[in-house]
Amino acid sequence: DVKVTQSSRYLVKRTGEKVFLECVQDMDHENMFWYRQDPGLGLRLIYFSYDVKMKEKGDIPEGYSVSREKKERFSLILESASTNQTSMYLCASSSTGFSYNEQFFGPGTRLTVL
Amino acid sequence: AQSVTQLDSQVPVFEEAPVELRCNYSSSVSVYLFWYVQYPNQGLQLLLKYLSGSTLVESINGFEAEFNKSQTSFHLRKPSVHISDTAEYFCAVSDRYGGSQGNLIFGKGTKLSVKP
Repeated sequence: DVKVTQSSRYLVKRTGEKVFLECVQDMDHENMFWYRQDPGLGLRLIYFSYDVKMKEKGDIPEGYSVSREKKERFSLILESASTNQTSMYLCASSSTGFSYNEQFFGPGTRLTVL
Repeated sequence: AQSVTQLDSQVPVFEEAPVELRCNYSSSVSVYLFWYVQYPNQGLQLLLKYLSGSTLVESINGFEAEFNKSQTSFHLRKPSVHISDTAEYFCAVSDRYGGSQGNLIFGKGTKLSVKP
């Protein structure tokens, strides 16, 4: 089974802190994604990557950056956390093969910024 | 641009009643369609998908969805729900011909609440 793991289930940070959210997948997938999930807004794409060292902005990249140094790992970085970044963050991965764009999700990280 | 509309944000039903969660999409190209489920405090899991062939697709836990091209819909149904079906359900669409490296466009979700 595909496994996508995220470094923390719950995280509490203070305004202005630099925050790293880590995601690792074990299925050799080419594509990786970061979403944030907020009540009533569904999932919104922050950034995605389709190869090592490659990244593309999603719908809401402001205030975030990403890093993909290895194929299996995709990190989301909040350079200076703000209270409006309090949210559930979901990582996903998919293959560029014949999986027809099916994405596999991690359990999520619920981030609270105080 | 593609978009997905889930017409109901919340659907309360009683146990053993039938349920339909509605999903409409807009796209100028052929698409793949997905339903994901999110149980409380968990990530999303694929429930079922339409890729090609039969327009009626089924999941292992009794849900089914029908692709209706003329109405651009992909509604999710279950004839008799259980308490354990309480979750949030997300409809998603992707471009059949590649587009943006396999990106999915998600609806805003429907919270299904099954009451005893």
